Amino acid sequence: GQSLEQPSEVTAVEGAIVQINCTYQTSGFYGLSWYQQHDGGAPTFLSYNALDGLEETGRFSSFLSRSDSYGYLLLQELQMKDSASYFCAVGSSYKLIFGSGTRLLVRP
Amino acid sequence: EAEVAQSPRYKITEKSQAVAFWCDPISGHATLYWYRQILGQGPELLVQFQDESVVDDSQLPKDRFSAERLKGVDSTLKIQPAELGDSAMYLCASSRGRDTGELFFGEGSRLTVL
Repeated sequence: GQSLEQPSEVTAVEGAIVQINCTYQTSGFYGLSWYQQHDGGAPTFLSYNALDGLEETGRFSSFLSRSDSYGYLLLQELQMKDSASYFCAVGSSYKLIFGSGTRLLVRP
Repeated sequence: EAEVAQSPRYKITEKSQAVAFWCDPISGHATLYWYRQILGQGPELLVQFQDESVVDDSQLPKDRFSAERLKGVDSTLKIQPAELGDSAMYLCASSRGRDTGELFFGEGSRLTVL
């Protein structure tokens, strides 16, 4: 079967750095994606890792280790607008399967 | 900027009634997805199309749900009869291909079944 695990909630202070981890078990794996979703909004794509290593996009970075079935999303210089839910999603057998999400609360 | 269009944004219906959602993907996107998202959970894939063909509907409750994408462009998801447990956000997404991690989501259709 397939499973994804990520923390349910994370709290951090404005300007700080936060890391959201994701571990997965699946067959036919081809990549790990991250999405952001604000309350009442649609998920929006943040990043995608098909190969091991770090991908950087502005304040956000994403990391993948295929051998460890593990990835993380790193958010730097946190802003209040970063308060949202973050989902990891594994590409498996040509489907994108989402985790249950991590709710990030950024405090002043 | 091209967007995925969905309608209606909100739908309130009584149980046992029929309901339908419509999605128009980004032009040129061959792959179309319908996801269901219950509040506080991640999106759950209901059905995936490649052009006009269903390539995955393993999680679609086929006794009451149906989906079609007749000309390989826009798509309709239907529920008949609706049940209380169907209350959720129904999200449509599209992508250029099947082996991608980048999906473009519409704003969703929020269904409330009374």
